[in-house]
Amino acid sequence: DAKTTQPTSMDCAEGRAANLPCNHSTISGNEYVYWYRQIHSQGPQYIIHGLKNNETNEMASLIITEDRKSSTLILPHATLRDTAVYYCIVRAFNDYKLSFGAGTTVTVRA
Amino acid sequence: NAGVTQTPKFQVLKTGQSMTLQCAQDMNHEYMSWYRQDPGMGLRLIHYSVGAGITDQGEVPNGYNVSRSTTEDFPLRLLSAAPSQTSVYFCASKETAQNIQYFGAGTRLSVL
Repeated sequence: DAKTTQPTSMDCAEGRAANLPCNHSTISGNEYVYWYRQIHSQGPQYIIHGLKNNETNEMASLIITEDRKSSTLILPHATLRDTAVYYCIVRAFNDYKLSFGAGTTVTVRA
Repeated sequence: NAGVTQTPKFQVLKTGQSMTLQCAQDMNHEYMSWYRQDPGMGLRLIHYSVGAGITDQGEVPNGYNVSRSTTEDFPLRLLSAAPSQTSVYFCASKETAQNIQYFGAGTRLSVL
């Protein structure tokens, strides 16, 4: 799996958009970008994934650069319940294993 | 929808005791896995299964056994618990269409 680099932590104001960057400069052509989050004391939760096109669902948007070497997860209107550790994971589609790094600790403040 | 259910939620063991962590999913997923998470760290894969009767080791399998007799259940066994196995254990199942993993709420295990 390609290695990912994320900031250790970031703060966000409630109601504002939260933009979470992820670098994956060694990503291979068949590898997808997946985002999960883990709210304190809970199991990880899937957010979104993409290959090369931008993706949007009810939780977030994923913007992948044209060279696919980096991506940004966007939480459009952060709430206090979005406070969590966010993990950017690069993996081949049929890869069984999820390799969780340290992630980004996002704190949403009122 | 129940999703992935883990029992128990909390457990305290003495060194040398054995126990089984239960995991069940009702989504008919073929792939299931067990992870452990130590304080301040990411998840590490212990064992996984790609279907009933098939299991394989992850990155930290020592001290743990698994079996998969049904699609729904994937128990994790600690044969002789050690303090180093104090951790939070997560079970997950994976659907194949989008390759998304769904996690249980976790079992918090302390070995004294």
